[in-house]
Amino acid sequence: DTGVSQDPRHKITKRGQNVTFRCDPISEHNRLYWYRQTLGQGPEFLTYFQNEAQLEKSRLLSDRFSAERPKGSFSTLEIQRTEQGDSAMYLCASSSGQGQYFGAGTRLSVL
Amino acid sequence: ELKVEQNPLFLSMQEGKNYTIYCNYSTTSDRLYWYRQDPGKSLESLFVLLSNGAVKQEGRLMASLDTKARLSTLHITAAVHDLSATYFCAVNYGGSQGNLIFGKGTKLSVKP
Repeated sequence: DTGVSQDPRHKITKRGQNVTFRCDPISEHNRLYWYRQTLGQGPEFLTYFQNEAQLEKSRLLSDRFSAERPKGSFSTLEIQRTEQGDSAMYLCASSSGQGQYFGAGTRLSVL
Repeated sequence: ELKVEQNPLFLSMQEGKNYTIYCNYSTTSDRLYWYRQDPGKSLESLFVLLSNGAVKQEGRLMASLDTKARLSTLHITAAVHDLSATYFCAVNYGGSQGNLIFGKGTKLSVKP
């Protein structure tokens, strides 16, 4: 499968713990985006990268959130000191300029 | 601030009927996207509309774009149960490579 891959698919954690998600984009895509989707809502933009450079961050991305794309290939999204309000589906998308292709997402549940 | 509004948010249809979903956006954008999402799944790209007057069709779905009115429509012809899903429209913010701003989605349920 050469689509966008995300890992893990599901994550259950206790409040206050740190979690990290991984996204592997489509190999020739230089742009990578992170979105968050809560139940009954459309995805909301968090941040995006062009190659290894993080070009934009949403105001939704508090200082507890950090994203990296160290070699311009895969990306990680870390949430420190998780809160119950962080419970959501975290979606990754990649693009080479003709639309964004989404991964299956990581569903985070914070207890 | 770019806003994207879809209506209706919920749509219950009978098989064989036609209906249209509307997507309005608040500022100029050079392309518009339609995605489908099944419960618990990710988003599947349906259409990318690149210019005023663009019309694209795939099976029972047809999407159109009017950039002057800042309006896109997704028309469903002779609905079948397999079309039951949530449909999102989205526009680029900050140019064609920018992040997407999504509507809240239209949850479509097609009943036999």
